[in-house]
Amino acid sequence: SQQGEEDPQALSIQEGENATMNCSYKTSINNLQWYRQNSGRGLVHLILIRSNEREKHSGRLRVTLDTSKKSSSLLITASRAADTASYFCATDESGGYNKLIFGAGTRLAVHP
Amino acid sequence: GAVVSQHPSRVICKSGTSVKIECRSLDFQATTMFWYRQFPKQSLMLMATSNEGSKATYEQGVEKDKFLINHASLTLSTLTVTSAHPEDSSFYICSAKGQLLVEQYFGPGTRLTVT
Repeated sequence: SQQGEEDPQALSIQEGENATMNCSYKTSINNLQWYRQNSGRGLVHLILIRSNEREKHSGRLRVTLDTSKKSSSLLITASRAADTASYFCATDESGGYNKLIFGAGTRLAVHP
Repeated sequence: GAVVSQHPSRVICKSGTSVKIECRSLDFQATTMFWYRQFPKQSLMLMATSNEGSKATYEQGVEKDKFLINHASLTLSTLTVTSAHPEDSSFYICSAKGQLLVEQYFGPGTRLTVT
């Protein structure tokens, strides 16, 4: 069953703007991961943040994790048309044998 | 990063037939493999978890007799959709994890269309 909720469900921005996506979850986790999926394609792993970390950066990506609120955010700075994709958060539940539970996803459209 | 392949990438079959999808880890030993299903414009739903050499653990609501999973080696897991029906048409994605790895590595997916 899905545990994560993401908002917004869809986001449309212009190139150069920042995009922020949020993810909430319900149980204790080992880590939270963000993935990108281009239409009809497989998943690309973006970043993993462990439960004892609060912020992580990778290039133009910034992820935060607030375990007290059971929420995470993904910020893409200076977006490009190539960033157009669906973005999913996935939680690795504590005691869950490393299975990932995916959020509903955010469809991001970046317009030139 | 580690590479996971899936075969076939696309398959069309007739209602009532069975289809087998392969998931291979190419450069690492996958002690655990996961199978997901994704309907159009929806998220990935975990179907089952398989550990090499043991029976798969299915998520609630997934019929184990319909979706047969075999993880016979450390580099190969197969998902067989038996007696497929049009409602089984979906994008099936596998992922693999090694014993010492934190991350799962995803295959490119298999699009199944049942006519």
